[in-house]
Amino acid sequence: EPEVTQTPSHQVTQMGQEVILRCVPISNHLYFYWYRQILGQKVEFLVSFYNNEISEKSEIFDDQFSVERPDGSNFTLKIRSTKLEDSAMYFCASRRGQANNQPQHFGDGTRLSIL
Amino acid sequence: QQPVQSPQAVILREGEDAVINCSSSKALYSVHWYRQKHGEAPVFLMILLKGGEQKGHEKISASFNEKKQQSSLYLTASQLSYSGTYFCGTESLNTPLVFGKGTRLSVIA
Repeated sequence: EPEVTQTPSHQVTQMGQEVILRCVPISNHLYFYWYRQILGQKVEFLVSFYNNEISEKSEIFDDQFSVERPDGSNFTLKIRSTKLEDSAMYFCASRRGQANNQPQHFGDGTRLSIL
Repeated sequence: QQPVQSPQAVILREGEDAVINCSSSKALYSVHWYRQKHGEAPVFLMILLKGGEQKGHEKISASFNEKKQQSSLYLTASQLSYSGTYFCGTESLNTPLVFGKGTRLSVIA
C-alpha cells in the first residue's frame, strides 16, 4: 500500500539554525499538509498546500516557516531560524482530493529537537 | 475552533466497552477519527459525513449526529491493541481539519 514517507526521522539542530523537513506524499494525491505535535499534546495544523500554493495556514505558521514543492514528488517544510519551542514531532499528510470522504494519510513524522 | 473530546482518558479491562465523544461548536461537514500509538503517526480509522451516518470497522464503530454537531466512537469488546490516543478531527466550511486534544485509552489484561 502506498504511504507518505518523511525524512529524516530525527533531526537535532542548534537554536537559530535553519532546518528543512522532507516529505514524499502518495503519488496520486493532490493536497498536502504539515502538522506539529508537541510531546504529549494534540496534533496541530500548520499549513495545507494545493496546486503549488498555500491554501490554508494556522497562526503557528508565521514568517519563520515556509513550504515548497521543489519537484514532482517532494514537499518540504523549512523553518528559517529555529527556536527552542519548535521542538516537536512534525507530520506530513497527503490527501487524494478535497471531498469530505477522503482521508488524510500521515507519514511517520520527523522528531525535531532544538538545542 | 478545535473540537472537544471526552473523556480525556479511560482505562479498560480487555473485553470491556468504551465510548469516546467529540463535539464542536461549528456546523460540521465531516468527522475523522484517528488512533495514535505512542511515538507513532496517527492512523486513520474512519470518516463520517454529514447526514448522520454510522460506520463500523471490526469492533470499532462511530456515529455522527449532524444536528448536535457531535460524533461518538464506540469500542466494543476491547483488545490490548486498542490502546492509544484517539483523536477526532472535524472539518467545516472553509476550515481545514482540526483535531481535538485526544482521548488516551489504556486497555489492561
